[in-house]
Amino acid sequence: GNSVTQMEGPVTLSEEAFLTINCTYTATGYPSLFWYVQYPGEGLQLLLKATKADDKGSNKGFEATYRKETTSFHLEKGSVQVSDSAVYFCALSDYTGGFKTIFGAGTRLFVKA
Amino acid sequence: DADVTQTPRNRITKTGKRIMLECSQTKGHDRMYWYRQDPGLGLRLIYYSFDVKDINKGEISDGYSVSRQAQAKFSLSLESAIPNQTALYFCATSDNQQGPDEKLFFGSGTQLSVL
Repeated sequence: GNSVTQMEGPVTLSEEAFLTINCTYTATGYPSLFWYVQYPGEGLQLLLKATKADDKGSNKGFEATYRKETTSFHLEKGSVQVSDSAVYFCALSDYTGGFKTIFGAGTRLFVKA
Repeated sequence: DADVTQTPRNRITKTGKRIMLECSQTKGHDRMYWYRQDPGLGLRLIYYSFDVKDINKGEISDGYSVSRQAQAKFSLSLESAIPNQTALYFCATSDNQQGPDEKLFFGSGTQLSVL
């Protein structure tokens, strides 16, 4: 079945540091890939997505590239801010899963001033 | 007003009690979902509904039931609550026109504690 594995947290960085959160997936079809973000006390919201191999999703300075050869979708940001402190979830959806979205375990990010 | 509204926001109940969590949406979406979030496990799908007459089990449906009262309303029930159902519960919706690109819209969650 489909699955998503992402790096365990928490990740603690200083402001303006470079961020990478690793995500790999297993899927029988050709999934769409997503990163969702959850700020404290809120529901998840879509951060970015990519729908086919080599696509790059980007939003708010975050980027992730769909790598089919390594089945990966790592999240990166060049310079994090305190306001980026949140939990980040990698996810996938494809037709073999009936278009249901499968989530990774989440990675908590703390950014210190 | 929020597009996806969950009630209550917090609930404490006792083992064996029946409890209902409610979700309503104003986005006009056909698809609705219930997930639970546990630390270290991410979000796991409990039930989902692709339209008013469609109900499907997710990966962890045991101990739960749902009702899709209308396009805009999707309720989750715990018939006899147990402590390991203590979790943060999320309702979500999506537009069935999006196919595999579907973006989920989440409510703010219901924190349920079963004592």
